[in-house]
Amino acid sequence: DAGVTQSPTHLIKTRGQHVTLRCSPISGHKSVSWYQQVLGQGPQFIFQYYEKEERGRGNFPDRFSARQFPNYSSELNVNALLLGDSALYLCASSLAGQGTDTQYFGPGTRLTVL
Amino acid sequence: AQSVTQLDSQVPVFEEAPVELRCNYSSSVSVYLFWYVQYPNQGLQLLLKYLSGSTLVKGINGFEAEFNKSQTSFHLRKPSVHISDTAEYFCAVSGGGGSNYKLTFGKGTLLTVNP
Repeated sequence: DAGVTQSPTHLIKTRGQHVTLRCSPISGHKSVSWYQQVLGQGPQFIFQYYEKEERGRGNFPDRFSARQFPNYSSELNVNALLLGDSALYLCASSLAGQGTDTQYFGPGTRLTVL
Repeated sequence: AQSVTQLDSQVPVFEEAPVELRCNYSSSVSVYLFWYVQYPNQGLQLLLKYLSGSTLVKGINGFEAEFNKSQTSFHLRKPSVHISDTAEYFCAVSGGGGSNYKLTFGKGTLLTVNP
C-alpha cells in the first residue's frame, strides 16, 4: 500500500506570495494533521482534520488555513508568506486522529521563502 | 500544556557501542509516548510507542524504550548501534484532555555513529 504522499517536494516562493501544499493520506485513514519543522527543531503542530472537520489548531496565525476533501486528502494554504515560513511542512495521517493512533508521516514539502 | 525535553542535542558514538537517548516530558494528565526517527531529507518514521501496560517497549531496528512515570522519562536505548542508525531522533507526546489529537515533539537528538 502507498504511504502518505505530499506534493510538491520542493517549492520556492517570494515574500508576500501565497502557497498551497497537498497531502494524500494512507488508504482508510480519515484524519490528516499538518506540522511545520523549522531547521534544527522538532515538528510543530499546525492543524488536524478528521472527517473533513477541523479538530484542532496550533499556535499559528490566520495566514495559515487548511481543508480536507471528501476523499480525505488535504490542502494547507499559507497567505502573505514571510521569510520565517521557510520550513519543511509535514503531513501525517492516522485512522481517527486519536492520541493512541499512530501518525504516519509523508516525506514533506520543503518551502523556501526568499 | 504538554512539553518534551530531549536532554542531548547531539550524541556521537562508535559502531557496535550501546546508546541511550534521553527524553523527559511534562504533562498534567496521562500521556502516550512515541519515538520517531528522521533520516536526511525524509519524513518521520515511528520507532516505538507506549500507550499503557508494560513499561518496557520494544520497537523496530532493535530499539527499546522504558516508560518511567515517577521520573517522567521515556529514554530510548539500543545495545549495539550500526552506521545506518545515524539519524535525527524525536521524542513526542500526546495525551488525554482536550488536545489528545496532536503530537508535541522535542527538539530532537542527532545520533552520529562513527566507524
